Amino acid sequence: QSVLTQPPSVSAAPGQKVTISCSGSSSNIGNNYVSWYQQLPGTAPKLLIYENNKRPSGIPDRFSGSKSGTSATLGITGLQTGDEADYYCGTWDSSLRGVFGGGTKLTVL
Amino acid sequence: QVQLVQSGAEVKKPGASVKVSCKASGYTFTSYDINWVRQATGQGLEWMGWMNPNSGNTGYAQKFQGRVTMTRNTSISTAYMELSSLRSEDTAVYYCARGHRSYDYVWGSYRPNWFDPWGQGTLVTVSS
Repeated sequence: QSVLTQPPSVSAAPGQKVTISCSGSSSNIGNNYVSWYQQLPGTAPKLLIYENNKRPSGIPDRFSGSKSGTSATLGITGLQTGDEADYYCGTWDSSLRGVFGGGTKLTVL
Repeated sequence: QVQLVQSGAEVKKPGASVKVSCKASGYTFTSYDINWVRQATGQGLEWMGWMNPNSGNTGYAQKFQGRVTMTRNTSISTAYMELSSLRSEDTAVYYCARGHRSYDYVWGSYRPNWFDPWGQGTLVTVSS
């Protein structure tokens, strides 16, 4: 069981919008920044969002992040078939140990 | 460009140890943490620990305390992760990732934050 809770899967049609939730507690998300990672099949994870809502250069503005209290959300608009991947949220606990969500598989129908 | 290149796949017997390397390029090796994350087949990401290449200080997940050792050779910008007493459940892809810290005004200190980039991964198979 992962420390952070994500839905196992989400799906939507091309061009639509999807959100992926990440639920934690005051000992992790509540007091630390959240980052999001995209893992395409057979590849290493790639940073999508850092410090809750910032996008690294090269990440399109179709991807967005937010945090409220002990939960965070990743939003993806204008879905493309190339967005099909596993998405993970990550943060730190009160002992500064890294924690991840269990991952969410995005299917673009 | 910033890059982390890991060593190749390993096959080990139960009880043995494995040492995975992670060579950094494109940035000052001692300026960023190196974190290690593993992923069993079909499973999620599991954080193992971090190392500060400048000081050599480390922090390990409780699950791996006593079995994992993270070290570095600054002269060749390479980090290492050694896992001992291997068992079948340790079969996984092991990733290194550059760790970024940011200043937290609430805590008054630099705290670990995001991982970018990641190495390509090293498959470690533990089988008799």
